[in-house]
Amino acid sequence: DTGVSQNPRHKITKRGQNVTFRCDPISEHNRLYWYRQTLGQGPEFLTYFQNEAQLEKSRLLSDRFSAERPKGSFSTLEIQRTEQGDSAMYLCASRSPGAQGTEAFFGQGTRLTVV
Amino acid sequence: QQQVKQSPQSLIVQKGGISIINCAYENTAFDYFPWYQQFPGKGPALLIAIRPDVSEKKEGRFTISFNKSAKQFSLHIMDSQPGDSATYFCAASWSNDYKLSFGAGTTVTVRA
Repeated sequence: DTGVSQNPRHKITKRGQNVTFRCDPISEHNRLYWYRQTLGQGPEFLTYFQNEAQLEKSRLLSDRFSAERPKGSFSTLEIQRTEQGDSAMYLCASRSPGAQGTEAFFGQGTRLTVV
Repeated sequence: QQQVKQSPQSLIVQKGGISIINCAYENTAFDYFPWYQQFPGKGPALLIAIRPDVSEKKEGRFTISFNKSAKQFSLHIMDSQPGDSATYFCAASWSNDYKLSFGAGTTVTVRA
């Protein structure tokens, strides 16, 4: 395991369908973050976990979005009843615990297109 | 509201030249300021980071300058190379959660 892994890399879905993305962080990284990046913009924070506990959710995360991290390992991000405005790159990042664990390592993202 | 403002939106530099990207932040609680490099279709990768107790940090051809009183920081890319052509993002967070607030990005094009 050499990095953060995200699956699928690309997802095309019809408006109104549900989608689920998976993120496998670097082993032993206790913090896991989800970000959303639209074209030409910087990533925007969505939510983060410390182990299995979801510590914060952004106001960007509507009720249609839910994230989980069972057992503090991989995480899933589900979007229900997708809308065209959900089209974006969804990025996952993880970082190690402790004062030295400042760097967040990002996965390659899942690009969602809602048609 | 955007907590980190970044400029310029894009820049073109000749090979061997200097690229300068500027950022400003609002939240004085921020105490960690990283710069990320992103290539098309890839996730951001950490380039260099600084904390507010130092005014400058250099790693190879990349230098961060930090002005705490002005709440500004900048990235200098010296001796720019075509392989540096990418989008660069400044970011800020505080060490309680390391939740990153990103700037809008600067697309750098290095002409050979």
